Amino acid sequence: DIQLTQSPSTLSASVRDRVTITCRASQNVSPWLAWYQQKPGQAPKLLIYQASTLESGVPSRFSGSGSGTDFTLTIASLQPDDFATYYCQQFHTYPWTFGQGTNVEIK
Amino acid sequence: QVQLVQSGGGVVQPGGSLRLSCTASGFNFSNYGMHWLRQSPGKGLEWVTFIRDDGGSKYYSDSVKGRFTISRDNSKNSMYVQMTNLRTEDTAVYYCAKDLGGYYRYFDHWGQGTLVIVS
Repeated sequence: DIQLTQSPSTLSASVRDRVTITCRASQNVSPWLAWYQQKPGQAPKLLIYQASTLESGVPSRFSGSGSGTDFTLTIASLQPDDFATYYCQQFHTYPWTFGQGTNVEIK
Repeated sequence: QVQLVQSGGGVVQPGGSLRLSCTASGFNFSNYGMHWLRQSPGKGLEWVTFIRDDGGSKYYSDSVKGRFTISRDNSKNSMYVQMTNLRTEDTAVYYCAKDLGGYYRYFDHWGQGTLVIVS
């Protein structure tokens, strides 16, 4: 199975900070990578797919980039609603797998 | 708008069985593949099983293969997973999710989640 390793596991940030989360795959998964946001007690929400395509309705402060084995989720200016856990997911190779998550918390 | 409403779940003893249901609305259900995923504190998010739009192909993670069976009834806009020979490690919140569609195996809408406790 393809392993996805996210870093950091926890990130402390303030409103209006620029935030970057990294997802590293154990092998090439490009471009079949997505990012999800999950808040406590809620289901995950798709933010970005195909590494850089913004899902409909997702604010433009979210962006994705990367290729091969290294991918990044960037939040340009962190808003109060963005404090949550973020996951990457690949479907390059079955079974489809997730990273362990990055918790973005208030500094 | 797209809605996925789950039912089923609960507490079951090891070796027992349980059936989860997911009823969809707000989109043409018969045109989309559907997934079950689960989330437990120890293992994070895990994809469990997928069924294509016509029910013709099904995929399972190794951890549930031979024990879980996914199915769907397009006339009822519903999907199911029959879980048998349950183990303590199957304890998790289970989500149904809609496939983004086409060639993409991403999960663009999720149900509310249902807790399964095997104990």
